[in-house]
Amino acid sequence: EDQVTQSPEALRLQEGESSSLNCSYTVSGLRGLFWYRQDPGKGPEFLFTLYSAGEEKEKERLKATLTKKESFLHITAPKPEDSATYLCAVQLSGNTPLVFGKGTRLSVIA
Amino acid sequence: EAGVAQSPRYKIIEKRQSVAFWCNPISGHATLYWYQQILGQGPKLLIQFQNNGVVDDSQLPKDRFSAERLKGVDSTLKIQPAKLEDSAVYLCASSLSGEQPQHFGDGTRLSIL
Repeated sequence: EDQVTQSPEALRLQEGESSSLNCSYTVSGLRGLFWYRQDPGKGPEFLFTLYSAGEEKEKERLKATLTKKESFLHITAPKPEDSATYLCAVQLSGNTPLVFGKGTRLSVIA
Repeated sequence: EAGVAQSPRYKIIEKRQSVAFWCNPISGHATLYWYQQILGQGPKLLIQFQNNGVVDDSQLPKDRFSAERLKGVDSTLKIQPAKLEDSAVYLCASSLSGEQPQHFGDGTRLSIL
């Protein structure tokens, strides 16, 4: 059973068309939820860590939020350079492995 | 600050051959991870080191995979013998500690013929 589920699998947006990506998790005792961006042929690039329900973090056009069961990555007025796969991962305690979802492939069309 | 360095970037071998990957983490990072990423999937942890000791290798196929981190700095991951299902990208990541965000290298893309 998947512990981390991301939706949609793929998303195509027009430039400037805001949207949200979802990451739902079934683990209990979450220590942290991580968002990464991955470009083709590259390793994941760290974006955010969220630790508690209600927490929000922002970076440029991206805002990540966390509830007790899911996290959202909101993309406001996206640009073509935001096209990438966005991965979320959960960690149960300080030294346990990250468990990744399968990612959402985002394409932003000019 | 230099990032996580990995080599080679690409490797093509035949099944049953052996292969090795190298990783140099960010300077000062005590924790080092090896992940396997199959096309269309998220990364899956193979092994985690804290300095030169193994913290978690529960998902490492130990009959064919081995890894070491001598001197607590760079690390090598070896596959011997390789199987077709080992075709994937092998990512190395490092962090200051197990609680800090992980920073990834660009990986080694392995193709098994």
